[in-house]
Amino acid sequence: GQSLEQPSEVTAVEGAIVQINCTYQTSGFYGLSWYQQHDGGAPTFLSYNGLDGLEETGRFSSFLSRSDSYGYLLLQELQMKDSASYFCAVRDNDYKLSFGAGTTVTVRA
Amino acid sequence: DTGVSQDPRHKITKRGQNVTFRCDPISEHNRLYWYRQTLGQGPEFLTYFQNEAQLEKSRLLSNRFSAERPKGSFSTLEIQRTEQGDSAMYLCASSLVEDNYGYTFGSGTRLTVV
Repeated sequence: GQSLEQPSEVTAVEGAIVQINCTYQTSGFYGLSWYQQHDGGAPTFLSYNGLDGLEETGRFSSFLSRSDSYGYLLLQELQMKDSASYFCAVRDNDYKLSFGAGTTVTVRA
Repeated sequence: DTGVSQDPRHKITKRGQNVTFRCDPISEHNRLYWYRQTLGQGPEFLTYFQNEAQLEKSRLLSNRFSAERPKGSFSTLEIQRTEQGDSAMYLCASSLVEDNYGYTFGSGTRLTVV
């Protein structure tokens, strides 16, 4: 089975940097994905790490260390619209995703 | 293609009734997934299809739940004899196998069992 841990809440001010950590225990691992979900909305894909290292997509970056079973999502230059829930998800060898419980990010003015 | 569509958006039903939800995936996607999400939690896997074949069903899923994907296009999820514990958001997603760009989720069907 899969087990993922991430902080439940993070609060920061506009313009700040936030790092959301994710640790996982899994019986089969092929990669770590990150999804964003606004209240009442659908989860939307942010990034994927299949190999160790950093992936950068605009203001968002994601990192993976397979040896540590650890990854993080870095949100830079926070904007009010970044207030949302962020989920890490482990992809198994059959391309199926198992999600963490999510981190609620609140951006204050 | 406008993405993944789910119908209805909201459903209120009385305990013991049967309900059916529909999902229309992105047309070129061969994988279709059903997840359930409760407040403050991440999506929980229910089942998935590759084309018309149902490849896996969660062991946690009651036998009151059944899903179909006839002809590998749209899918339906039926819940029989609904219980209050079935109240949740039911999310459908589609993808291409071996696609590293993730799932495309629909906006979900919110089920309330009263």
